[in-house]
Amino acid sequence: AQRVTQPEKLLSVFKGAPVELKCNYSYSGSPELFWYVQYSRQRLQLLLRHISRESIKGFTADLNKGETSFHLKKPFAQEEDSAMYYCALVTGGGNKLTFGTGTQLKVEL
Amino acid sequence: NAGVTQTPKFQVLKTGQSMTLQCAQDMNHNSMYWYRQDPGMGLRLIYYSASEGTTDKGEVPNGYNVSRLNKREFSLRLESAAPSQTSVYFCASMRGTGNQPQHFGDGTRLSIL
Repeated sequence: AQRVTQPEKLLSVFKGAPVELKCNYSYSGSPELFWYVQYSRQRLQLLLRHISRESIKGFTADLNKGETSFHLKKPFAQEEDSAMYYCALVTGGGNKLTFGTGTQLKVEL
Repeated sequence: NAGVTQTPKFQVLKTGQSMTLQCAQDMNHNSMYWYRQDPGMGLRLIYYSASEGTTDKGEVPNGYNVSRLNKREFSLRLESAAPSQTSVYFCASMRGTGNQPQHFGDGTRLSIL
């Protein structure tokens, strides 16, 4: 079955602390994965995708096929990083996304 | 360039009433999607349209119907609203397939009493 698991509903860190948002997936083929972010009162938007191997707003995510993970990391959290983060897996022959249940990140001062 | 536009932004219905949520995109995207977002459940796909003239069920299609009116517009209809359909509904579009990003609308907050 194709599934995305985000084990933490809420992650609270202090400003300047490292952040790791966990994402594990279950997929039989070669996975294509995204991280989306939803800031308060804003629409959901793409943060980064694994195929680009990019760093956006200081966030990076590495695909680990052995551990079937795509964790999102940032070395130093900022207050403006507070948001809901969703991990998503391309499914349905490339036509659909399967989302995880999301992790609310709260960065405290 | 508005991207994905959803109407209305808010709506309150009584149980049994019908309602159509509208979605339009101006990016000439082929694929369009309807999701619902519920606390602790993430985003769940209701229906999608991979191209003009086609629609397919997603994870939670029961109680909903969709129409891909043309390439720009994809509507979601609740024929007989139920309290379990209280949710935030998001429309999204995507240019092609695979690793293309989906672009989302602002959402419609729907309450059914």
